[in-house]
Amino acid sequence: DIQMTQSPSSLSASVGDRITITCRTSHNIRTYLNWYQHKPGEAPKLLIYAASSLQSGVPLRFSGSGSGTDFTLTISSLQPEDFATYYCQQSYNAPHTFGQGTKLEIK
Amino acid sequence: QVQLQQSGPGLVKPSQTLSLTCAISGDFVSTTSAAWNWIRQSPSRGLEWLGRTYYRSRWYFDYAVSVKSRMTISPDTSKSQISLHLTSVTPEDSAVYYCARAYYDSWSAFDYWGQGTRVTVSS
Repeated sequence: DIQMTQSPSSLSASVGDRITITCRTSHNIRTYLNWYQHKPGEAPKLLIYAASSLQSGVPLRFSGSGSGTDFTLTISSLQPEDFATYYCQQSYNAPHTFGQGTKLEIK
Repeated sequence: QVQLQQSGPGLVKPSQTLSLTCAISGDFVSTTSAAWNWIRQSPSRGLEWLGRTYYRSRWYFDYAVSVKSRMTISPDTSKSQISLHLTSVTPEDSAVYYCARAYYDSWSAFDYWGQGTRVTVSS
C-alpha cells in the first residue's frame, strides 16, 4: 500500500494569511494526488485533482503543486470559510489512501 | 448533476451486519468512466477508503485489507444503486460512512459524495 504523510497535523492562522500544507507519498504516484476540504457535518469536498487542477467552482485562492512523491496545497489568502480539515489522497492505485489530515484553525 | 443519496440504519449491534445503500442519479452504476466507492471517517482513523466497484465488460471489486474479509459491495443496475454490507461489526466500525464517485477524467478523484450516514455499533 502507498503510505501518505501529511504535515502539519494542525495549523493556526489568521484571515488573509497564506498557508501551505504538504503531503509526501511512499511511492512515486506521478500526479495522481487529490486534495479535499472537510467540514463537520458535511461530506468532503474535492478542491484539487491531478495534483494541480482546480475542481470546478473552487476559488482561485486554492492551488496545488508537485509530482512524484512530494505535493503541496496552498491557500493564498485565507477566508473565514476556509477553516476546516484538509486531506490529501492518492488515486494512483488501490487502496486509495488518504493522508492523516490537517486541521486549520483560526488564530 | 450527479447526486448520491445514502440510506441505512444509524445503529447496529455488535457482531451483526451493517448494510447501507447509495442511490445514484445523474450517472449510471455501469458507466465505464467511473468507479463507485465506500469511504468512512472516524476521529481515530480520519478518512479511510474501504472499497470500490466498477464495470469494464464485467464487474470488478477492490477492498481495503482492513475490511476485505468482512465487506461486500453490490451493484444493482436496475435500481441504480450500490450497497455496502459489513459483517461482524465491532465498536471500531462506528464511523460516518460515505459513498463517492471516482471519475476517470478527474484522475479518479472523488468528485461527488453522498451525504454521509453516521453509524454507531452498540448493544
